Amino acid sequence: EAQVTQNPRYLITVTGKKLTVTCSQNMNHEYMSWYRQDPGLGLRQIYYSMNVEVTDKGDVPEGYKVSRKEKRNFPLILESPSPNQTSLYFCASREGWASGTEAFFGQGTRLTVV
Amino acid sequence: AQSVTQLDSQVPVFEEAPVELRCNYSSSVSVYLFWYVQYPNQGLQLLLKYLSGSTLVKGINGFEAEFNKSQTSFHLRKPSVHISDTAEYFCAVSDSGGYQKVTFGTGTKLQVIP
Repeated sequence: EAQVTQNPRYLITVTGKKLTVTCSQNMNHEYMSWYRQDPGLGLRQIYYSMNVEVTDKGDVPEGYKVSRKEKRNFPLILESPSPNQTSLYFCASREGWASGTEAFFGQGTRLTVV
Repeated sequence: AQSVTQLDSQVPVFEEAPVELRCNYSSSVSVYLFWYVQYPNQGLQLLLKYLSGSTLVKGINGFEAEFNKSQTSFHLRKPSVHISDTAEYFCAVSDSGGYQKVTFGTGTKLQVIP
């Protein structure tokens, strides 16, 4: 089954404790991205990657890091999480980076930073 | 840069009644338009998209949307809703051609009342 898998689904952590949210897709998609979803703000892009070893900032990259060492994986790293990073996070992939292609989303990771 | 506005944050509607979810966009160039649906505790999935051609686009689950260039709108409609349509709906826009960022609206929660 074609899917984007995120782990964990739920995470509660303390301020400053480094964490990684994993994302993996089995569709051989070139393009992957991370979004955060906050009430009243919709989805905002954090980082995106057009291919292996190619990443770039989205609209809200501060406090986040990503890497793309393999085509299928695109982990999101929070080096020193803060309470304002409490949010619902989605990983998405697209077959290509051209703007008309459909995005496939993971089921989300609900992060709480206390 | 493009932007998208979903004026209604919540839309309650009785089962079997018609519904229209509104989406307006702004862009100085040609655009691609999308509607995604998010069911509770799930990621987003594509309902339909407009790239070019016929302005009336049909999607999954009986939904359709009409691209109106003069009104810069892409409203989503369904003639008769079911309880299972209860979800949050996101309109998204990107400039056409090459790689372009996809911008999401703030979402509209459709609540179907039995």
